[in-house]
Amino acid sequence: DAMVIQNPRYQVTQFGKPVTLSCSQTLNHNVMYWYQQKSSQAPKLLFHYYDKDFNNEADTPDNFQSRRPNTSFCFLDIRSPGLGDAAMYLCATRIGTADNSPLHFGNGTRLTVT
Amino acid sequence: LAKTTQPISMDSYEGQEVNITCSHNNIATNDYITWYQQFPSQGPRFIIQGYKTKVTNEVASLFIPADRKSSTLSLPRVSLSDTAVYYCLVGDMGAEGRRALTFGSGTRLQVQP
Repeated sequence: DAMVIQNPRYQVTQFGKPVTLSCSQTLNHNVMYWYQQKSSQAPKLLFHYYDKDFNNEADTPDNFQSRRPNTSFCFLDIRSPGLGDAAMYLCATRIGTADNSPLHFGNGTRLTVT
Repeated sequence: LAKTTQPISMDSYEGQEVNITCSHNNIATNDYITWYQQFPSQGPRFIIQGYKTKVTNEVASLFIPADRKSSTLSLPRVSLSDTAVYYCLVGDMGAEGRRALTFGSGTRLQVQP
């Protein structure tokens, strides 16, 4: 009964080769988040969408882009991956209109850059 | 956005009660306090959430003093499967959903037999 699904679970890409990670949700939540989590570190927020309204964190590199074509899907595009971009990428959703709505996470995509 | 501070790690034994405290001195009036659990290679999982006083569910209790500048997650009778990283998250869960939700460093709990 996975509600936030990330594909693939593991992704290997070459240095500088564009890569896209995907996230889908069956919860019909209007807010979707992308986090980057490196080994032994806390998840770091990259950006989030409130419906189609895109909100970028100030320190998110331009190399990271996102698309949300509809409510259910959100994509993370890394235009030119560097070795430092190797990490777990987590997608999360929440209901934007409920004051106490928690985050629902997928199980992440682990990105390796060779 | 309120910044959170937690102990980096804690050790416990099976059957003991574990209390993990989070400091959030700059918590805003409309901020909720939420705790997540994360196992290796998985996304964080919601445990419990509160605004003030005490909240209890089937997994944990959350104690929040009147000034709300800290909170304590209480795990009763931990087992080996409770070994994980626990994150305290403080953020505006308001209707606009536009506030960023930033994780603190988390507490790595190790439960020994």
